Amino acid sequence: GAGVSQSPSNKVTEKGKDVELRCDPISGHTALYWYRQSLGQGLEFLIYFQGNSAPDKSGLPSDRFSAERTGGSVSTLTIQRTQQEDSAVYLCASSLSKGQGYEQYFGPGTRLTVT
Amino acid sequence: QQQVKQSPQSLIVQKGGISIINCAYENTAFDYFPWYQQFPGKGPALLIAIRPDVSEKKEGRFTISFNKSAKQFSLHIMDSQPGDSATYFCAASWSGGGADGLTFGKGTHLIIQP
Repeated sequence: GAGVSQSPSNKVTEKGKDVELRCDPISGHTALYWYRQSLGQGLEFLIYFQGNSAPDKSGLPSDRFSAERTGGSVSTLTIQRTQQEDSAVYLCASSLSKGQGYEQYFGPGTRLTVT
Repeated sequence: QQQVKQSPQSLIVQKGGISIINCAYENTAFDYFPWYQQFPGKGPALLIAIRPDVSEKKEGRFTISFNKSAKQFSLHIMDSQPGDSATYFCAASWSGGGADGLTFGKGTHLIIQP
């Protein structure tokens, strides 16, 4: 079946602009995760959703970052007033359910470049 | 605070040899330890995972060794092949946390020379 898909695959934006990154999880997966991958910081966990709820938003780097999930499926990560340090690959993953027994399947990521 | 330390940063192994990547963790609450493989332009893909109630898990050419007392775990790739050339990440998580997000090591860039 189809894996996790993300769009766009690449996004170049000017500093100060807002961007929206989209994630389509595997059908039937109730848990969805956002990570950020950068050269300096490696892979960082940002936020996770169980259904449409995000119980813990403490991993988001700043209040410029927000995420939502609707209908228990598609999720959007929004970065407002982008800064150069936001440049990274943003990865989405989904799993059948929450918990350490469930494998997280990753999408190909969105490469964000802030100029 | 880096909760999962991975070494080496890069590794070159001859075809047919054994590749060994090590990780150490700090949080004793961690109870799930997966290894991910990532090729350029792709997302990470799960290779193999272990829980602290076993000391070793083997799947094909890939083996995880786990030492709970030392808070260390390692990935062994037997009979390494050029197709294994990729970046490998160890990770950890704990089921008692609210987030269930994975804490990753910094990654190891593995090159298998033909």
